[in-house]
Amino acid sequence: AQSVTQLGSHVSVSEGALVLLRCNYSSSVPPYLFWYVQYPNQGLQLLLKYTTGATLVKGINGFEAEFKKSETSFHLTKPSAHMSDAAEYFCAVRILEYGNKLVFGAGTILRVKS
Amino acid sequence: KAGVTQTPRYLIKTRGQQVTLSCSPISGHRSVSWYQQTPGQGLQFLFEYFSETQRNKGNFPGRFSGRQFSNSRSEMNVSTLELGDSALYLCASSLALANTGELFFGEGSRLTVL
Repeated sequence: AQSVTQLGSHVSVSEGALVLLRCNYSSSVPPYLFWYVQYPNQGLQLLLKYTTGATLVKGINGFEAEFKKSETSFHLTKPSAHMSDAAEYFCAVRILEYGNKLVFGAGTILRVKS
Repeated sequence: KAGVTQTPRYLIKTRGQQVTLSCSPISGHRSVSWYQQTPGQGLQFLFEYFSETQRNKGNFPGRFSGRQFSNSRSEMNVSTLELGDSALYLCASSLALANTGELFFGEGSRLTVL
């Protein structure tokens, strides 16, 4: 069975500090991995995705994530947090062999302190 | 290019009633997925439609149903509403099934059941 675990339902960082949001997945086959962001009262927007190839993926708004197969992880990072980064972030896994459903983690709310 | 449009954005119903939500995908997108988002359960997959056929289904009771029309627009229906059905219902579209592409989400329909 596939599952996605996001460590920490809430993360708080200071403006300018490193952002690190953790995501681990369980899958017996290589997955497709995604990070989405949701701002209040809005739908989800794709930040970045990993399908194949380079394991370090760069996304929008300065975010990047690295796929580490040995650790079954896909952590999201940003070198310097901005106030506008405050939102809820979702890691998601999509596996063709399992019906191609997109399965989301529980989400991490990022708070940025001034 | 217009995004995914969901209507209505907000609605209030009472227990026992039924509700129909509508989703217009991005032009050219043939796949529509529905998700239920609640604070306690997070994002839960409801179903996915492609070419007017349901291709994937989540673990929801039969009170939840959907359909897709020839123009790719989709509707979902919830009958005999329960208090626990209060949620944000998100629709997402993509070009096709079994692809590595991203899902494009609408802003959601927020249902409150009293």
